[in-house]
Amino acid sequence: DTAVSQTPKYLVTQMGNDKSIKCEQNLGHDTMYWYKQDSKKFLKIMFSYNNKELIINETVPNRFSPKSPDKAHLNLHINSLELGDSAVYFCASSQGGRDTDTQYFGPGTRLTVL
Amino acid sequence: AQSVTQLDSQVPVFEEAPVELRCNYSSSVSVYLFWYVQYPNQGLQLLLKYLSGSTLVKGINGFEAEFNKSQTSFHLRKPSVHISDTAEYFCAVNLANDYKLSFGAGTTVTVRA
Repeated sequence: DTAVSQTPKYLVTQMGNDKSIKCEQNLGHDTMYWYKQDSKKFLKIMFSYNNKELIINETVPNRFSPKSPDKAHLNLHINSLELGDSAVYFCASSQGGRDTDTQYFGPGTRLTVL
Repeated sequence: AQSVTQLDSQVPVFEEAPVELRCNYSSSVSVYLFWYVQYPNQGLQLLLKYLSGSTLVKGINGFEAEFNKSQTSFHLRKPSVHISDTAEYFCAVNLANDYKLSFGAGTTVTVRA
C-alpha cells in the first residue's frame, strides 16, 4: 500500500491553463505539506495543513491554492499557469507537524508548462 | 531564521569506498537535524535524524551522522557505498517549536563500479 500518493505523476500543459494535483495519505497523519522542487533540485515548502487548517503559507503567488477536504487529502490547484511553474511538486505528511516529526513524501508530480 | 549549507554539490565515489557528505547550519536557537535521500525519480525518504542525546546517530542502509554543536555541523557518512546508494542527499533543519523544515541544496552522490 502506498503511504503518500499523488496524481498525476506527469502533467504537461499550456501557459494560462488551470490544473490540479491531488494528494492522499493513508498513514493517519494529521499534517500534510506541499513542496516545490526546482530544476536545481532545491526544495521549498509552499503550504502546510494540520487537521484541515492552514498552518504554513509561504510566499507563494495566490494563483496557487491548496484545498484540504479532509485530513487525508491535500490538493493543489494552480490558476493561470506560467512557464516558471514548471517543477516537481511533492506532497508530504507527518504525524503531528511537530518540529521533531519525520515527513513522508509522495513520489512527486512533474509539471511542465509549455 | 535558519539556513542549511551542503558544502558539496556533487560527490563521485567508487563502489566500496567510504563517503562523507557535509552539512552545516546556522541558527541561534535549538534545532533538529535530518538527512533525507531521494533516489532517481522518487520522493524523499528519511535516512536518519538527530533530536537529542547521543551525537552519533545511526540510520538506514548503513548511514550514520554526527551532530557537532560547536561546529554547527551534521555530516553524513557511510564506510562502504554500493551502486544502489547513487542518489540525491538532502540535509534539513527544523527549529525547535517551528513547523517548517528547511532543506539544503542537496548533494548528488554517484557511485561507480
